[in-house]
Amino acid sequence: GAGVSQSPSNKVTEKGKDVELRCDPISGHTALYWYRQSLGQGLEFLIYFQGNSAPDKSGLPSDRFSAERTGGSVSTLTIQRTQQEDSAVYLCASSLASTRDTYEQYFGPGTRLTVT
Amino acid sequence: QQQVKQSPQSLIVQKGGISIINCAYENTAFDYFPWYQQFPGKGPALLIAIRPDVSEKKEGRFTISFNKSAKQFSLHIMDSQPGDSATYFCAATTAEYNNNDMRFGAGTRLTVKP
Repeated sequence: GAGVSQSPSNKVTEKGKDVELRCDPISGHTALYWYRQSLGQGLEFLIYFQGNSAPDKSGLPSDRFSAERTGGSVSTLTIQRTQQEDSAVYLCASSLASTRDTYEQYFGPGTRLTVT
Repeated sequence: QQQVKQSPQSLIVQKGGISIINCAYENTAFDYFPWYQQFPGKGPALLIAIRPDVSEKKEGRFTISFNKSAKQFSLHIMDSQPGDSATYFCAATTAEYNNNDMRFGAGTRLTVKP
């Protein structure tokens, strides 16, 4: 079946512009996660959705970052007034459910964001 | 706040050798420890995972060793192959966080030389 998909795969934007990154999770996966991976770095947790609600927004770096999820499926990560330090690969992952036996997260290929 | 510390940052191994990557964690509530493999331009993919009720788990050439008292776990890749060249991330999480807080190590870039 189809895995997690993300779009666009690459995005180049000018400093100060807003960007929207999209994630389509695996069908039926109720949990969805956004991570940021800077060049050569580990994975930085940004936000987590269970269904359409986001119980944990603590990882969002600033109020320029926001995310929503509609219909328990597609999620959009929005970065307003982009800065050069926002340049990174943004990864989305989904998992079947938020229970003890279903920890595995399936990652999408990521969106590489470059802010010039 | 880094709760999972991974080492080394990079590793070069000859084909056929053993690759060893180590991780240490702080939170004793962690009860699930996965390893992810990431190839360039791709998202991470689950490689192997262990729970603290066992000290070792083996899948093919990949083995996780777990030391609960030391709060450490490691990935061993036996008979390393050039195709194993990738970045490896350890991670940890707990049901206490309701699966919303998978803590990742900083990653190890493995290069296996032919």
